[in-house]
Amino acid sequence: GNSVTQMEGPVTLSEEAFLTINCTYTATGYPSLFWYVQYPGEGLQLLLKATKADDKGSNKGFEATYRKETTSFHLEKGSVQVSDSAVYFCALSDRRAGSGGSNYKLTFGKGTLLTVNP
Amino acid sequence: DTAVSQTPKYLVTQMGNDKSIKCEQNLGHDTMYWYKQDSKKFLKIMFSYNNKELIINETVPNRFSPKSPDKAHLNLHINSLELGDSAVYFCAVAQYFGPGTRLLVL
Repeated sequence: GNSVTQMEGPVTLSEEAFLTINCTYTATGYPSLFWYVQYPGEGLQLLLKATKADDKGSNKGFEATYRKETTSFHLEKGSVQVSDSAVYFCALSDRRAGSGGSNYKLTFGKGTLLTVNP
Repeated sequence: DTAVSQTPKYLVTQMGNDKSIKCEQNLGHDTMYWYKQDSKKFLKIMFSYNNKELIINETVPNRFSPKSPDKAHLNLHINSLELGDSAVYFCAVAQYFGPGTRLLVL
């Protein structure tokens, strides 16, 4: 079955530091890959996504590249801010052939808590 | 306009009660989902519902039942609530999630 493994947290950084959160996956077929962010006490926000190999998703200074050869989708940001403190989830959707379109059944990693200190 | 909305945002109730969580979407998608986030933040799919047909039931107890009055709504009914049902429940459409309902069973 499908699975997502992301680095264990918590991750604590100083403001303006470089961020990498590793994510690897196991899937059949050709999954789409996602990063979600959950701020304290809030819901899940889609941060970025990539739908095929070598695609790069980007948003709010965050980037992740779909690497099929290494089955990875690592999240990076060049300079984090205090406001980036949140839990980050890597996820994949199983896009089965013949599903008649999109299949967004999402499999999530366990989440990585990021704390950015001033 | 919010793409996926849920009510209530918070739900506190006693063991044994029956409760419902409502979800509405304006994206026009056929398939809606319910996910559960436990106390360790782990997210797992519960149901997928497409045109009044249940597609997935990931080993969820039959005390939980999705009900869809129309294409834009997928409500989650929970009977005989137990302490272990305390969690955050998210409705989703495609890759978009509702704000979540924080359920606490006392």
